[in-house]
Amino acid sequence: GESVGLHLPTLSVQEGDNSIINCAYSNSASDYFIWYKQESGKGPQFIIDIRSNMDKRQGQRVTVLLNKTVKHLSLQIAATQPGDSAVYFCAENSPQAGTALIFGKGTTLSVSS
Amino acid sequence: KAGVTQTPRYLIKTRGQQVTLSCSPISGHRSVSWYQQTPGQGLQFLFEYFSETQRNKGNFPGRFSGRQFSNSRSEMNVSTLELGDSALYLCASSFGTTSGSGYTFGSGTRLTVV
Repeated sequence: GESVGLHLPTLSVQEGDNSIINCAYSNSASDYFIWYKQESGKGPQFIIDIRSNMDKRQGQRVTVLLNKTVKHLSLQIAATQPGDSAVYFCAENSPQAGTALIFGKGTTLSVSS
Repeated sequence: KAGVTQTPRYLIKTRGQQVTLSCSPISGHRSVSWYQQTPGQGLQFLFEYFSETQRNKGNFPGRFSGRQFSNSRSEMNVSTLELGDSALYLCASSFGTTSGSGYTFGSGTRLTVV
């Protein structure tokens, strides 16, 4: 079936380090991918997205890499800060899914100072 | 600009009861999608409403239903509650013109079924 998964449930880093959060997807027809951040007591917050015609996209302190050959997505956070501590989800969309997003199970990022 | 507003924030219900949750989208957004979030299953798509019509539906039983009003506000209803329905219910609004993009999520309604 269609699913999006993250490789690690938790990731602990020191403040100032670079963080890499990984995600594997199984549907080769997926053409749109999003990373979300969810803080305690809040809904998911959009971080960055990428379409399948790209392999890299950069935002402010964040970069998303897409490797369609191995169906892998990653989120890189530069100079990680304590405020980056949250649960991170990748999500995918495919033409078959219409407007629905399929979410992975999330990685909890803990940043210590 | 106001975000997506979900009410109530917390609910405790008894098995067998029914519940109605409300979602007010961002002004101008015509699409409202609902998701269920549980520790075991993660975030799962329930359904999407666009211009008062259900446009997309996930794999949930018929006990889960929804509707959308002419002002784009949406409600979802769960009938005959089961313990497994305990979850955070999230709604997300968007302009609805591009599949899967432009979502803004609300903070959710935490439903506990006892």
